[in-house]
Amino acid sequence: KQEVTQIPAALSVPEGENLVLNCSFTDSAIYNLQWFRQDPGKGLTSLLLIQSSQREQTSGRLNASLDKSSGRSTLYIAASQPGDSATYLCAVSDSIGSARQLTFGSGTQLTVLP
Amino acid sequence: EPEVTQTPSHQVTQMGQEVILRCVPISNHLYFYWYRQILGQKVEFLVSFYNNEISEKSEIFDDQFSVERPDGSNFTLKIRSTKLEDSAMYFCASRSAPQETQYFGPGTRLLVL
Repeated sequence: KQEVTQIPAALSVPEGENLVLNCSFTDSAIYNLQWFRQDPGKGLTSLLLIQSSQREQTSGRLNASLDKSSGRSTLYIAASQPGDSATYLCAVSDSIGSARQLTFGSGTQLTVLP
Repeated sequence: EPEVTQTPSHQVTQMGQEVILRCVPISNHLYFYWYRQILGQKVEFLVSFYNNEISEKSEIFDDQFSVERPDGSNFTLKIRSTKLEDSAMYFCASRSAPQETQYFGPGTRLLVL
């Protein structure tokens, strides 16, 4: 059974810092990996999706990398801003079947201090 | 930009009552999902739906749960006889066939008393 782990559980940084969030998964037979942002009491906003054949994806100040063989992904946030404060979730979909249901990590709660 | 919508945003019910949570997926999407998140826990997959039938379901999705796409736009989750442990945020998601990104709705917070 796929397990997804995210470290650290919480992170507090001053504004302007570059930071890295980590995600690991136990079964490397994934179809893709998706990073989400969740604001308190709200839904999930998709940030980036990396296909299993890709190594990285970029969107603005965000860069996500994937090392499928070692079961790891990182989300790099450049020049952090207070508005980046949220919980960041990593989720993987398995390669078996076409449903592509997601298995989530427990998230990293990020606080960017002004 | 198209988005997934869910109603109601909050629902309070008594244990043993039936509840129906409603979702309107993005209009050209073909795959639909329900997930839930118990307070302080991970987001968990419940069920996926494609071509008018369930394609996958988790162990959580027992006989108390059912899903339906009653018309061309709505996607519903029914819990027949709610239990205290059903209290959670329920998220609907959808994706198009070639596009792999799942788009989530804002959630329905269900509280069972």
